[in-house]
Amino acid sequence: EVQLVESGGGLVKPGGSLRLSCAASGFTFSSYSMNWVRQAPGKGLEWVSSISSSYIYYADSVKGRFTISRDTAKNSLYLQMNSLRAEDTAVYYCAREMSYLDYWGQGTLVTVSS
Amino acid sequence: AIQMTQSPSSLSASVGDRVTITCRASQGIRNDLGWYQQKPGKVPKLLIYAASSLQSGVPSRFSGSGSGTDFTLSISSLQPEDFATYYCLQDYNYPRTFGQGTKVEIK
Repeated sequence: EVQLVESGGGLVKPGGSLRLSCAASGFTFSSYSMNWVRQAPGKGLEWVSSISSSYIYYADSVKGRFTISRDTAKNSLYLQMNSLRAEDTAVYYCAREMSYLDYWGQGTLVTVSS
Repeated sequence: AIQMTQSPSSLSASVGDRVTITCRASQGIRNDLGWYQQKPGKVPKLLIYAASSLQSGVPSRFSGSGSGTDFTLSISSLQPEDFATYYCLQDYNYPRTFGQGTKVEIK
């Protein structure tokens, strides 16, 4: 069974940093691209970043502040978030990509507030 | 970036109604489009991929159509469990872009 479990969310002050993790199981992690998608409270879905074995992409809204990475030995996906802003407050989901996003984690909440 | 415009932003319908939601891309995206359902407080769920392919386990009352710039998600006979928000997502290129969502409410 495919499982994606995010962790690392929490309350952080503006300008602060946070590292999200996503533990994957039930599939060959190294064979898939992985994504981060976020959802601000009461708002729609926003794609954040994708990583494969050969490319990395970011949304303009996070470029230069967020860094996606993966550790295939640990079957884990990460999102390092620096210079956080109030508008980064959201639930962050990791999702497996088959071009479309077929499996999603339960999400982890990041709140940026002083 | 490709813009995805969904319509309507919300609709009210009754159980048993046929419901249609549309998504328009700002440029051609072949059939590289998925539809996702999200219930309040829950994780988004893939319904349709490649514009018209039904994801495993999704009821057959859901269907998708379209190619190029115009796409449609249809629910043939709305069920109580279908009241949710629906999003389209283009996977033609990066950055990936979602539609703004369509909230389907009970009439």
